[in-house]
Amino acid sequence: EAQVTQNPRYLITVTGKKLTVTCSQNMNHEYMSWYRQDPGLGLRQIYYSMNVEVTDKGDVPEGYKVSRKEKRNFPLILESPSPNQTSLYFCASSPETSGGAETQYFGPGTRLLVL
Amino acid sequence: RKEVEQDPGPFNVPEGATVAFNCTYSNSASQSFFWYRQDCRKEPKLLMSVYSSGNEDGRFTAQLNRASQYISLLIRDSKLSDSATYLCVVTGTYKYIFGTGTRLKVLA
Repeated sequence: EAQVTQNPRYLITVTGKKLTVTCSQNMNHEYMSWYRQDPGLGLRQIYYSMNVEVTDKGDVPEGYKVSRKEKRNFPLILESPSPNQTSLYFCASSPETSGGAETQYFGPGTRLLVL
Repeated sequence: RKEVEQDPGPFNVPEGATVAFNCTYSNSASQSFFWYRQDCRKEPKLLMSVYSSGNEDGRFTAQLNRASQYISLLIRDSKLSDSATYLCVVTGTYKYIFGTGTRLKVLA
C-alpha cells in the first residue's frame, strides 16, 4: 500500500531533550516536506527536500533540522525542544519537484507535547 | 496580510444545501492551486486540483480567478459526510502555502 508513515504518533517530552520524528514514504517520491499545524495558524511549512541531499527552509525552520540521506526517509530533528514547539506535525511527499505543481500525500501526523 | 486567506467559518448548513467557500491569495506568481479536506486533526487529503478552466468532480466544483486572485469551492447537495475543514493550498517554487481552513458542518 502506497503510504507515508511517521513515528512516533504521539510524544511527550521535556524541554531540551533531543528528539527525532521519522518519516518514510514508499512511493519513490522525490519531494518531501514537514509541516506543523497550530490552532488558528493552519499548516506551516518547516523544511522541504527536493531530492536526496537537497533541503531548504520553509516558513518556520527555527529550532528544527532535517536530513535527506535516502530518498524514502526525511527525519525531523529537534535538537533542544521548547514548549513553543508543542504542535501537530505532518510529513508529506509528492512525486516530482516541479515547482510545487504536484499534489502531496500526507502522513498520519505526530502529536508532540513539550513540557 | 496573510498569503492565503480563508473564512474560518463554521458554515452550518442543512443536508442537501449548496455551499461555497472562497480563498484569496496575495502572490500573483502562485503556480498551482488545490483544495484539501481535513477531518478532525487527521492528515489533510487532496479533494481536487483547481485549474483556470474550472473543474468538477461529482458534487464538487472548483474555480480559479487569477485576475482577482481567488479560488472557490462549491459543494452541491451537501451530505453529513462532507462535514470537515476545507483547506485552500497555493504553491510557489517548491513551497506550499496553506490557508487556515474553513470549517463546514452539515446538519441533519
